[in-house]
Amino acid sequence: SQTIHQWPATLVQPVGSPLSLECTVEGTSNPNLYWYRQAAGRGLQLLFYSVGIGQISSEVPQNLSASRPQDRQFILSSKKLLLSDSGFYLCAWWGQGNTGELFFGEGSRLTVL
Amino acid sequence: AQSVTQLDSQVPVFEEAPVELRCNYSSSVSVYLFWYVQYPNQGLQLLLKYLSGSTLVKGINGFEAEFNKSQTSFHLRKPSVHISDTAEYFCAVSDKDGGFKTIFGAGTRLFVKA
Repeated sequence: SQTIHQWPATLVQPVGSPLSLECTVEGTSNPNLYWYRQAAGRGLQLLFYSVGIGQISSEVPQNLSASRPQDRQFILSSKKLLLSDSGFYLCAWWGQGNTGELFFGEGSRLTVL
Repeated sequence: AQSVTQLDSQVPVFEEAPVELRCNYSSSVSVYLFWYVQYPNQGLQLLLKYLSGSTLVKGINGFEAEFNKSQTSFHLRKPSVHISDTAEYFCAVSDKDGGFKTIFGAGTRLFVKA
């Protein structure tokens, strides 16, 4: 069966520090991968999605970037964090043959101080 | 472009009462529709989905939703709620071209009181 893992689960970082959140999927190949951010009262905002290795689409111009160095690995990064980057970050995957639903990781809560 | 509007940010309800969480969407193409549930500090999990066919969709935990194309709505219902249903509920839409992008509503927090 397919599983998705995100880490770290919780992160507290100072303003201006770098960020790396990692997501891996097991049990499937060539999934579409997604990063969403959830801020209080604002639902889920799609940040990036990827349909293959090295292919990244950005939905919102911001202080973040994403990379997909391997088929089942998706990384969210920042060189210098801002206070506004605080939030709950969710990775998700969608696979071929799947009828449209997304499968989510457990999330990474980032607090920027 | 697609969009999703969840009309209520919070819905308080007493245990064993019925509940309806409202969702409207807009899209210029045919869509898939979803409801997800999120418990505190967790990821989202699928409650139910509408792909095609019968407009009444049944999901897990006794929830159901009805797709109304003319009103572009996909409201979620449960005839009798439990304390354990307290959570945040998200309505979502994706186009039928492969689910490349799923757009979520702002969420409705359901609070079930004893």
